[in-house]
Amino acid sequence: GAVVSQHPSWVICKSGTSVKIECRSLDFQATTMFWYRQFPKQSLMLMATSNEGSKATYEQGVEKDKFLINHASLTLSTLTVTSAHPEDSSFYICSAPGTSGSWDTQYFGPGTRLTVL
Amino acid sequence: RKEVEQDPGPFNVPEGATVAFNCTYSNSASQSFFWYRQDCRKEPKLLMSVYSSGNEDGRFTAQLNRASQYISLLIRDSKLSDSATYLCVVSDTGTASKLTFGTGTRLQVTL
Repeated sequence: GAVVSQHPSWVICKSGTSVKIECRSLDFQATTMFWYRQFPKQSLMLMATSNEGSKATYEQGVEKDKFLINHASLTLSTLTVTSAHPEDSSFYICSAPGTSGSWDTQYFGPGTRLTVL
Repeated sequence: RKEVEQDPGPFNVPEGATVAFNCTYSNSASQSFFWYRQDCRKEPKLLMSVYSSGNEDGRFTAQLNRASQYISLLIRDSKLSDSATYLCVVSDTGTASKLTFGTGTRLQVTL
């Protein structure tokens, strides 16, 4: 099946620094990708929808200036957490719909665990 | 009220047991329904889609009741490897679009 990769798989950074997370579709093209965040013992929450060649669509309550999304190619979307703080520590997961058009083919990346000290 | 509600568990069951998970969703316009499985510190993986007519995949059976906005998952003959968190997931479109996740139900299968 289709594969989505994320890099890095985990990152520890100091408060105030920016962290970039990459999401790649390895064997298919993705005009749309989704970014989720999951805090411990909570559900995945959709943060934003990344659209190739256009601006991302952010969910209510997600600061677009803090979570910068760039979808410059059909296989790569990046999420940059700017000026990260400890409350941004979370598990960030991206996903991409498969190209078959079937509504149950959404492929998830392995996730990136961010810890902000 | 949460959009997708699940009993967080944990459900502790012995190997071979049958266990059932329930889920309710608040948006009556929801069109697509899924069960995902998530292992600790891993990404969610699609277990099965859920259809109004009910569907079965080996030891797993999923049911959807649109009138009650209720989804269920039944696992028969539980295996140790079934231990995971089971996520009820709903989409308000008919495409692989925005998914709304429940908080999940933790299952621990023991010897």
